[in-house]
Amino acid sequence: NAGVTQTPKFRVLKTGQSMTLLCAQDMNHEYMYWYRQDPGMGLRLIHYSVGEGTTAKGEVPDGYNVSRLKKQNFLLGLESAAPSQTSVYFCASKFYSSGTEAFFGQGTRLTVV
Amino acid sequence: QQPVQSPQAVILREGEDAVINCSSSKALYSVHWYRQKHGEAPVFLMILLKGGEQKGHDKISASFNEKKQQSSLYLTASQLSYSGTYFCGTERYQTGANNLFFGTGTRLTVIP
Repeated sequence: NAGVTQTPKFRVLKTGQSMTLLCAQDMNHEYMYWYRQDPGMGLRLIHYSVGEGTTAKGEVPDGYNVSRLKKQNFLLGLESAAPSQTSVYFCASKFYSSGTEAFFGQGTRLTVV
Repeated sequence: QQPVQSPQAVILREGEDAVINCSSSKALYSVHWYRQKHGEAPVFLMILLKGGEQKGHDKISASFNEKKQQSSLYLTASQLSYSGTYFCGTERYQTGANNLFFGTGTRLTVIP
């Protein structure tokens, strides 16, 4: 049972480059999330999705776009990477919106130089 | 918007106890606790859904005081495997969903 899988695990980008992070879950969860984790800041919500075809902004959405074309996949895009986007990115999914645990992927460590 | 955790860091010797606190300026409807080991994903520990609820497994337990808008995580007779960063998460409604907002974490180090 794979759970939540993120690709890639590591990436180095130059300022201004673009990339897409892929999150895939095999638990048939409706709710999916992208967080970023920075030292001393905990996990901050970037974007989320309440089901296939839906996306919404979280706490820190600027500079990111997302898409959820298929229920099992949630993509996070950086159109023009900036050094401030250097972070560890975690995808998570939940079965219900409230009262259920979140399952996290293994994370993507992104460095923008 | 994030809940506040204290302490930020704690060092314990094996067998000692620790308490990690989580408080919010907004009403809490549920509290999640997760542990993250270095370089790994956060892993779910427990969720408390009602004020006054207490839960536990192994030697880790938690309480939830809805009126005080706070929760505490108790680690008793700590083991080396307890080392990691502990996060509390609180659910808050945004458009279409109750999203999880996490505290900044408490780094727990257990030494022999």
